[in-house]
Amino acid sequence: AQSVTQLDSHVSVSEGTPVLLRCNYSSSYSPSLFWYVQHPNKGLQLLLKYTSAATLVKGINGFEAEFKKSETSFHLTKPSAHMSDAAEYFCVVGLFEKLTFGTGTRLTIIP
Amino acid sequence: DTGVSQDPRHKITKRGQNVTFRCDPISEHNRLYWYRQTLGQGPEFLTYFQNEAQLEKSRLLSDRFSAERPKGSFSTLEIQRTEQGDSAMYLCASSFTGTGGQETQYFGPGTRLLVL
Repeated sequence: AQSVTQLDSHVSVSEGTPVLLRCNYSSSYSPSLFWYVQHPNKGLQLLLKYTSAATLVKGINGFEAEFKKSETSFHLTKPSAHMSDAAEYFCVVGLFEKLTFGTGTRLTIIP
Repeated sequence: DTGVSQDPRHKITKRGQNVTFRCDPISEHNRLYWYRQTLGQGPEFLTYFQNEAQLEKSRLLSDRFSAERPKGSFSTLEIQRTEQGDSAMYLCASSFTGTGGQETQYFGPGTRLLVL
């Protein structure tokens, strides 16, 4: 069985400041981990994917995430927030065809 | 646009009516998935196909729901005798298995269903 916990349902940051979205996972096997972003009225877009290669994964739009097995965490970060980053972010654990989504973190950017 | 497409984007129906949604996956993707997303929640898996074969169905998929992928390309999801609890966003995703390892699923924009 696998599960995902997103520790914050809502995060607000000022434009130009760092972003941290927290995610913890549980999996019986070595999981693959993803972050997806969902903008209003748009489909889910893949930000980045971890599949047991490098523990620090770089994604699109300046986002990156670090896999920490000892902490069962996969937090998403960005050094400097942009207004266009405002969206819903989902941490996802995958085992081949099965994806399990977290409940999402809504990111608000303050001008 | 070569992404996953879904039709319609929005559907309003009355309780008890049947509705059908269509998904066109990325061409040459052999797997197709259906998810349901309710307000404030992440998507939940409903079912998936590999080519024409429906390989798994979630217990969320009641008898009123049926999905098909007759030629291994597009798929349809039908809900019979809709209930207000069926109101949700229905998402389709596709992926390609062939290189081994963890596949990546690419999502369509979704069909938002409102049952009155």
